[in-house]
Amino acid sequence: NAGVMQNPRHLVRRRGQEARLRCSPMKGHSHVYWYRQLPEEGLKFMVYLQKENIIDESGMPKERFSAEFPKEGPSILRIQQVVRGDSAAYFCASSPVGSTNEKLFFGSGTQLSVL
Amino acid sequence: GNSVTQMEGPVTLSEEAFLTINCTYTATGYPSLFWYVQYPGEGLQLLLKATKADDKGSNKGFEATYRKETTSFHLEKGSVQVSDSAVYFCALTPKSNYQLIWGAGTKLIIKP
Repeated sequence: NAGVMQNPRHLVRRRGQEARLRCSPMKGHSHVYWYRQLPEEGLKFMVYLQKENIIDESGMPKERFSAEFPKEGPSILRIQQVVRGDSAAYFCASSPVGSTNEKLFFGSGTQLSVL
Repeated sequence: GNSVTQMEGPVTLSEEAFLTINCTYTATGYPSLFWYVQYPGEGLQLLLKATKADDKGSNKGFEATYRKETTSFHLEKGSVQVSDSAVYFCALTPKSNYQLIWGAGTKLIIKP
């Protein structure tokens, strides 16, 4: 049973481009969480999704950021018109049940660098 | 608000040394407390947890005790190995909430 898979591991974008980060949860997991880690800081919650539903996006910036978790395929975190301040490590976690972090499994993260 | 503060790294020790990584928190109510570890090139893994005051979490020789009076959850290990080299994160979650609040992480380097 493969773990949570995130790709790409490293993503380089120029200012103004779009970044798409993918997260494939563990088999049987229908709940996905995205966290962001800015340099020298702890991880910060961004969004919690179930299949085809956004449950909680209270940590997501209001503009340029969006997330989805379709019925088929990975969860996608999309950042439009990236700026240097978006440079960070983005972590995805999945769980088989919702509203709990007791059974969370994390991916290795995507390091986004904006030039 | 809720926050977690952990000691800055890197922490460099020799093999078989005693390890302490300090973690203190502020939170309303009685949060659950966690230590996660990230080995090079891998995802974050739950190392141990404690859900109420005076609980001791333990795993792989690591221990941490939930101290409500000092609002602390320090990570300890009696004898570290090179394979313990990793980044360690302290985190909390308020009761009835799934959002994890994280410390900045402490990089641990163990030299043979």
